[in-house]
Amino acid sequence: GQQVMQIPQYQHVQEGEDFTTYCNSSTTLSNIQWYKQRPGGHPVFLIQLVKSGEVKKQKRLTFQFGEAKKNSSLHITATQTTDVGTYFCAGGSSNTGKLIFGQGTTLQVKP
Amino acid sequence: DAGVTQSPTHLIKTRGQQVTLRCSPKSGHDTVSWYQQALGQGPQFIFQYYEEEERQRGNFPDRFSGHQFPNYSSELNVNALLLGDSALYLCASSLGRDLYGYTFGSGTRLTVV
Repeated sequence: GQQVMQIPQYQHVQEGEDFTTYCNSSTTLSNIQWYKQRPGGHPVFLIQLVKSGEVKKQKRLTFQFGEAKKNSSLHITATQTTDVGTYFCAGGSSNTGKLIFGQGTTLQVKP
Repeated sequence: DAGVTQSPTHLIKTRGQQVTLRCSPKSGHDTVSWYQQALGQGPQFIFQYYEEEERQRGNFPDRFSGHQFPNYSSELNVNALLLGDSALYLCASSLGRDLYGYTFGSGTRLTVV
C-alpha cells in the first residue's frame, strides 16, 4: 500500500541554525501537505504543494515538491525557539483517495 | 467560523469496553476523516466518511466503525478495547473528494487500562 517515509526522526539544532526534513512516498502523489504539531497539540496545516517541482516559501520556511511528485522537503532558515514541534508531511493520492502521513520529524531548538 | 470540534477531550476506558468519539466538522466541510495517533507516531488513517458512507478505510480491524450524520458530523466507535488502542484520535474535515487542506480537531485522548 501507499507509504510515506520521513527523515530524520529527530533533529536538535542551535537557535539560528538551519533545519531540513525530507519526505518520500512509495507512490506518485497528487499533492503533498505539511503540518506542524506542537507538543500536546494537534496537527496544524502549513501548506500544500500540487505541481511537479513546485517551490513555496512562508517567511523562513521553504517547501519543495520533487519533479517526480514522490518526494518533498521542508527547510527552515535560521531556526527560532518558536519553530519547536513535530513536522509531518502527508501525501495525497487521487488513486487511493487517502491522505497518508509520514512519521514526522521532531525539531528541538536550543536557545 | 467554528473549526473542527471533537468530544470528549479525554477518556479513560477499561479493556473490553466500547467507546464512542464524536466530531463536528468545520463549517462548510462535508467530509470527515478519522486518524489514530499513537505517542511519537504520525497519524494513521482509520477511515473517511462522505455523504454518510464510509468512502475509504485504512488497515484497522472491524472493531473500529463509524457513522456520519446528515449534518456531516461523525462518530467513531471502537469495540472490545485493547490496551494498544490507547492513542490520540484525530478528526479532520475537508470539502468533497478533495485531498486538500484538511482541518484537524484537537483530538480525543483515549487511555485504555
